[in-house]
Amino acid sequence: DSGVTQTPKHLITATGQRVTLRCSPRSGDLSVYWYQQSLDQGLQFLIQYYNGEERAKGNILERFSAQQFPDLHSELNLSSLELGDSALYFCASSVVGGGPAETQYFGPGTRLLVL
Amino acid sequence: AQTVTQSQPEMSVQEAETVTLSCTYDTSESDYYLFWYKQPPSRQMILVIRQEAYKQQNATENRFSVNFQKAAKSFSLKISDSQLGDAAMYFCAYRSPAGTSYGKLTFGQGTILTVHP
Repeated sequence: DSGVTQTPKHLITATGQRVTLRCSPRSGDLSVYWYQQSLDQGLQFLIQYYNGEERAKGNILERFSAQQFPDLHSELNLSSLELGDSALYFCASSVVGGGPAETQYFGPGTRLLVL
Repeated sequence: AQTVTQSQPEMSVQEAETVTLSCTYDTSESDYYLFWYKQPPSRQMILVIRQEAYKQQNATENRFSVNFQKAAKSFSLKISDSQLGDAAMYFCAYRSPAGTSYGKLTFGQGTILTVHP
Protein backbone atom coordinates (compact mmCIF):
# COMPACT_ATOMS: atom_id res chain seq x y z
CA ASP A 1 0.00 0.00 0.00
CA SER A 2 1.57 3.27 -1.17
CA GLY A 3 -0.55 5.49 1.08
CA VAL A 4 -2.12 7.23 -1.91
CA THR A 5 -5.85 6.62 -2.23
CA GLN A 6 -8.04 7.03 -5.27
CA THR A 7 -11.78 6.81 -5.66
CA PRO A 8 -13.67 5.35 -7.33
CA LYS A 9 -11.78 2.24 -8.44
CA HIS A 10 -13.99 1.72 -11.44
CA LEU A 11 -16.24 4.06 -13.36
CA ILE A 12 -18.50 3.27 -16.29
CA THR A 13 -20.21 6.13 -18.06
CA ALA A 14 -21.53 7.23 -21.43
CA THR A 15 -20.12 9.51 -24.07
CA GLY A 16 -20.79 13.17 -23.43
CA GLN A 17 -20.94 12.76 -19.68
CA ARG A 18 -18.77 14.33 -16.98
CA VAL A 19 -16.98 12.50 -14.18
CA THR A 20 -14.79 13.43 -11.23
CA LEU A 21 -11.88 11.34 -10.02
CA ARG A 22 -10.60 11.88 -6.52
CA CYS A 23 -7.12 11.43 -5.02
CA SER A 24 -5.77 11.74 -1.49
CA PRO A 25 -1.97 11.99 -1.31
CA ARG A 26 0.25 10.33 1.25
CA SER A 27 0.36 12.06 4.59
CA GLY A 28 2.87 14.90 4.39
CA ASP A 29 3.04 15.01 0.59
CA LEU A 30 2.30 18.41 -0.92
CA SER A 31 2.55 17.55 -4.59
CA VAL A 32 0.01 15.58 -6.62
CA TYR A 33 0.42 14.32 -10.17
CA TRP A 34 -2.16 12.88 -12.54
CA TYR A 35 -1.24 10.35 -15.23
CA GLN A 36 -3.30 8.60 -17.86
CA GLN A 37 -2.53 5.06 -19.02
CA SER A 38 -4.17 3.95 -22.25
CA LEU A 39 -3.39 1.26 -24.80
CA ASP A 40 -2.55 3.66 -27.60
CA GLN A 41 -0.85 6.47 -25.66
CA GLY A 42 0.87 4.52 -22.92
CA LEU A 43 1.53 6.29 -19.61
CA GLN A 44 1.24 10.05 -19.98
CA PHE A 45 1.66 12.88 -17.51
CA LEU A 46 -1.40 15.11 -17.38
CA ILE A 47 -0.93 17.73 -14.68
CA GLN A 48 0.79 18.49 -11.39
CA TYR A 49 -0.32 20.48 -8.38
CA TYR A 50 1.79 21.65 -5.50
CA ASN A 51 0.19 22.90 -2.30
CA GLY A 52 -2.95 23.97 -4.11
CA GLU A 53 -1.36 25.58 -7.13
CA GLU A 54 -0.91 24.22 -10.63
CA ARG A 55 2.78 23.63 -11.24
CA ALA A 56 3.14 21.81 -14.53
CA LYS A 57 0.94 20.73 -17.39
CA GLY A 58 1.41 17.87 -19.77
CA ASN A 59 -0.78 16.42 -22.48
CA ILE A 60 -4.02 17.33 -20.78
CA LEU A 61 -7.04 17.97 -22.98
CA GLU A 62 -9.02 21.17 -22.61
CA ARG A 63 -12.03 19.04 -21.64
CA PHE A 64 -10.09 17.92 -18.58
CA SER A 65 -9.39 20.04 -15.53
CA ALA A 66 -8.01 19.47 -12.07
CA GLN A 67 -7.63 21.18 -8.75
CA GLN A 68 -6.02 20.63 -5.39
CA PHE A 69 -7.91 21.62 -2.30
CA PRO A 70 -6.65 23.10 1.01
CA ASP A 71 -6.64 19.64 2.60
CA LEU A 72 -4.35 18.62 -0.32
CA HIS A 73 -6.68 16.12 -1.91
CA SER A 74 -7.05 16.54 -5.65
CA GLU A 75 -9.82 16.03 -8.16
CA LEU A 76 -9.55 15.42 -11.88
CA ASN A 77 -12.64 16.44 -13.82
CA LEU A 78 -13.26 14.89 -17.22
CA SER A 79 -16.08 16.35 -19.31
CA SER A 80 -17.70 15.73 -22.70
CA LEU A 81 -16.30 12.24 -22.47
CA GLU A 82 -15.35 10.36 -25.63
CA LEU A 83 -14.70 6.68 -26.21
CA GLY A 84 -10.99 7.44 -26.42
CA ASP A 85 -10.96 8.75 -22.85
CA SER A 86 -11.33 5.19 -21.58
CA ALA A 87 -8.16 4.57 -19.62
CA LEU A 88 -6.60 3.97 -16.25
CA TYR A 89 -6.06 7.25 -14.43
CA PHE A 90 -3.34 7.33 -11.80
CA CYS A 91 -2.68 9.82 -9.12
CA ALA A 92 0.79 10.01 -7.59
CA SER A 93 2.17 12.12 -4.79
CA SER A 94 5.54 13.29 -3.56
CA VAL A 95 6.77 15.47 -0.76
CA VAL A 96 7.55 18.63 -2.70
CA GLY A 97 7.67 17.88 -6.37
CA GLY A 98 10.99 17.86 -8.19
CA GLY A 99 13.22 17.67 -5.17
CA PRO A 100 16.46 15.73 -5.60
CA ALA A 101 15.66 12.84 -3.31
CA GLU A 102 12.02 12.55 -4.22
CA THR A 103 10.08 9.56 -5.33
CA GLN A 104 6.55 9.56 -6.62
CA TYR A 105 4.21 7.05 -5.03
CA PHE A 106 1.25 5.93 -7.07
CA GLY A 107 -2.30 5.24 -6.06
CA PRO A 108 -4.17 2.14 -7.27
CA GLY A 109 -5.75 4.03 -10.17
CA THR A 110 -9.29 4.64 -11.38
CA ARG A 111 -10.35 2.60 -14.37
CA LEU A 112 -12.67 4.64 -16.58
CA LEU A 113 -14.76 3.03 -19.27
CA VAL A 114 -16.71 5.26 -21.61
CA LEU A 115 -19.44 3.49 -23.56
CA ALA B 1 11.65 17.15 -24.76
CA GLN B 2 12.88 13.99 -23.18
CA THR B 3 11.97 10.61 -24.61
CA VAL B 4 12.29 7.14 -23.14
CA THR B 5 12.45 4.01 -25.28
CA GLN B 6 12.02 0.41 -24.23
CA SER B 7 12.77 -1.67 -27.27
CA GLN B 8 11.65 -5.01 -25.84
CA PRO B 9 7.85 -5.28 -25.78
CA GLU B 10 8.10 -8.71 -24.15
CA MET B 11 10.72 -10.74 -22.35
CA SER B 12 10.64 -14.11 -20.65
CA VAL B 13 12.85 -15.83 -18.09
CA GLN B 14 12.98 -19.10 -16.24
CA GLU B 15 12.50 -19.02 -12.50
CA ALA B 16 15.83 -18.53 -10.67
CA GLU B 17 17.52 -17.22 -13.82
CA THR B 18 18.67 -13.68 -14.62
CA VAL B 19 17.05 -11.31 -17.08
CA THR B 20 17.95 -7.83 -18.28
CA LEU B 21 15.42 -5.26 -19.47
CA SER B 22 16.67 -2.47 -21.71
CA CYS B 23 15.91 1.24 -21.65
CA THR B 24 17.38 4.15 -23.54
CA TYR B 25 16.53 7.80 -23.21
CA ASP B 26 17.18 11.04 -24.96
CA THR B 27 17.89 14.26 -23.09
CA SER B 28 20.04 17.36 -23.27
CA GLU B 29 20.08 17.71 -19.50
CA SER B 30 23.12 16.70 -17.50
CA ASP B 31 21.39 16.10 -14.21
CA TYR B 32 18.30 13.92 -13.97
CA TYR B 33 16.82 10.86 -12.33
CA LEU B 34 15.89 7.48 -13.72
CA PHE B 35 13.45 4.96 -12.33
CA TRP B 36 12.12 1.49 -12.94
CA TYR B 37 8.52 0.89 -11.97
CA LYS B 38 6.78 -2.47 -11.90
CA GLN B 39 3.10 -2.89 -12.76
CA PRO B 40 1.76 -6.34 -11.84
CA PRO B 41 -1.66 -7.57 -12.98
CA SER B 42 -3.23 -5.59 -10.12
CA ARG B 43 -2.20 -2.47 -12.11
CA GLN B 44 -0.56 -0.88 -9.07
CA MET B 45 2.59 1.06 -9.99
CA ILE B 46 5.42 0.00 -7.68
CA LEU B 47 8.83 1.63 -7.56
CA VAL B 48 11.58 -0.92 -8.10
CA ILE B 49 14.75 1.15 -8.20
CA ARG B 50 16.03 4.68 -8.83
CA GLN B 51 19.28 6.14 -10.10
CA GLU B 52 20.61 9.67 -9.85
CA ALA B 53 22.52 10.69 -12.98
CA TYR B 54 25.28 12.37 -10.98
CA LYS B 55 26.11 9.09 -9.22
CA GLN B 56 28.52 6.86 -11.07
CA GLN B 57 27.75 3.86 -8.91
CA ASN B 58 24.94 1.67 -10.20
CA ALA B 59 21.95 1.36 -7.87
CA THR B 60 21.00 -2.00 -6.38
CA GLU B 61 17.97 -3.14 -4.42
CA ASN B 62 18.22 -6.77 -3.34
CA ARG B 63 17.81 -8.85 -6.53
CA PHE B 64 17.37 -5.76 -8.71
CA SER B 65 20.28 -3.78 -10.10
CA VAL B 66 20.81 -1.33 -12.89
CA ASN B 67 23.50 -0.77 -15.49
CA PHE B 68 23.60 2.99 -15.97
CA GLN B 69 25.66 4.18 -18.93
CA LYS B 70 25.33 7.95 -18.97
CA ALA B 71 27.29 8.58 -22.15
CA ALA B 72 25.26 6.00 -24.02
CA LYS B 73 22.03 7.19 -22.36
CA SER B 74 21.24 3.65 -21.38
CA PHE B 75 19.59 2.40 -18.20
CA SER B 76 18.98 -1.34 -18.06
CA LEU B 77 17.42 -3.33 -15.23
CA LYS B 78 18.84 -6.68 -14.20
CA ILE B 79 16.69 -9.06 -12.20
CA SER B 80 18.63 -11.88 -10.58
CA ASP B 81 17.18 -15.12 -9.22
CA SER B 82 13.86 -14.37 -10.92
CA GLN B 83 10.74 -15.27 -9.01
CA LEU B 84 7.19 -15.90 -10.18
CA GLY B 85 6.15 -12.71 -8.41
CA ASP B 86 8.43 -10.70 -10.69
CA ALA B 87 6.05 -11.26 -13.59
CA ALA B 88 4.72 -7.83 -14.50
CA MET B 89 4.97 -4.93 -16.91
CA TYR B 90 8.13 -2.92 -16.23
CA PHE B 91 8.36 0.76 -17.05
CA CYS B 92 11.48 2.85 -17.33
CA ALA B 93 10.94 6.49 -16.39
CA TYR B 94 12.89 9.75 -16.62
CA ARG B 95 12.59 12.76 -14.38
CA SER B 96 14.14 16.19 -14.79
CA PRO B 97 15.69 17.75 -11.68
CA ALA B 98 13.78 21.02 -11.78
CA GLY B 99 12.49 23.72 -14.02
CA THR B 100 9.22 23.70 -15.87
CA SER B 101 8.75 19.97 -15.57
CA TYR B 102 8.88 20.09 -11.79
CA GLY B 103 9.19 16.41 -11.30
CA LYS B 104 6.91 14.90 -13.92
CA LEU B 105 7.81 11.40 -15.04
CA THR B 106 8.26 10.50 -18.70
CA PHE B 107 7.67 6.79 -19.22
CA GLY B 108 8.79 4.28 -21.80
CA GLN B 109 6.32 1.98 -23.50
CA GLY B 110 6.88 -0.83 -21.04
CA THR B 111 8.20 -4.40 -21.21
CA ILE B 112 6.04 -7.36 -20.25
CA LEU B 113 8.08 -9.87 -18.27
CA THR B 114 6.92 -13.47 -18.07
CA VAL B 115 8.51 -15.81 -15.54
CA HIS B 116 8.32 -19.54 -16.32
CA PRO B 117 8.36 -22.05 -13.46
